[in-house]
Amino acid sequence: KAGVTQTPRYLIKTRGQQVTLSCSPISGHRSVSWYQQTPGQGLQFLFEYFSETQRNKGNFPGRFSGRQFSNSRSEMNVSTLELGDSALYLCASSLAADNSYGYTFGSGTRLTVV
Amino acid sequence: GDSVTQMEGPVTLSEEAFLTINCTYTATGYPSLFWYVQYPGEGLQLLLKATKADDKGSNKGFEATYRKETTSFHLEKGSVQVSDSAVYFCALSDPGANSKLTFGKGITLSVRP
Repeated sequence: KAGVTQTPRYLIKTRGQQVTLSCSPISGHRSVSWYQQTPGQGLQFLFEYFSETQRNKGNFPGRFSGRQFSNSRSEMNVSTLELGDSALYLCASSLAADNSYGYTFGSGTRLTVV
Repeated sequence: GDSVTQMEGPVTLSEEAFLTINCTYTATGYPSLFWYVQYPGEGLQLLLKATKADDKGSNKGFEATYRKETTSFHLEKGSVQVSDSAVYFCALSDPGANSKLTFGKGITLSVRP
């Protein structure tokens, strides 16, 4: 079965622009989470959606936002990009409402802000 | 708040050596514990998990036991292979935080032939 699909794989944007990243979870998975991975801060939780509702949000500025559609696909948006937003953005999906099954991660979107 | 502490890296071993990667945690609730592995250029793969005290997670020769008394979840493998070279992350999920994963900083393992 198909895994978690993230598009695009690579992205280069200019400071001040905005960007939208997409995530298609495993079929049947209703929970989708987003993480930011940087060499300095490691893996940091952005937000989590379940059945189109944001259930949990990490400590990121309001420039970071997301949503989930009725088919469980999710998007995250970053507005007014800063150099420090350069990172690997990982999406993960889970079958259960809790974390009892663990999360399956996508390969990520590598965002470079210049 | 919740936190995960992993031993400092990187770690370099010869093939067939014994591996231990230490992981300790702090959590307000009764968390589930995970080890994830990341190969170069890829996302995270779930290696193993444990959801209650004394549970042992195992996969691909790796093992880790949930030790509540020492708040630890150390990863072990009896004989590493070159293909085990990757970055390893310990993580927890606190039931009070829905499905949020809190990760350790990760440790890079390199295995020499």
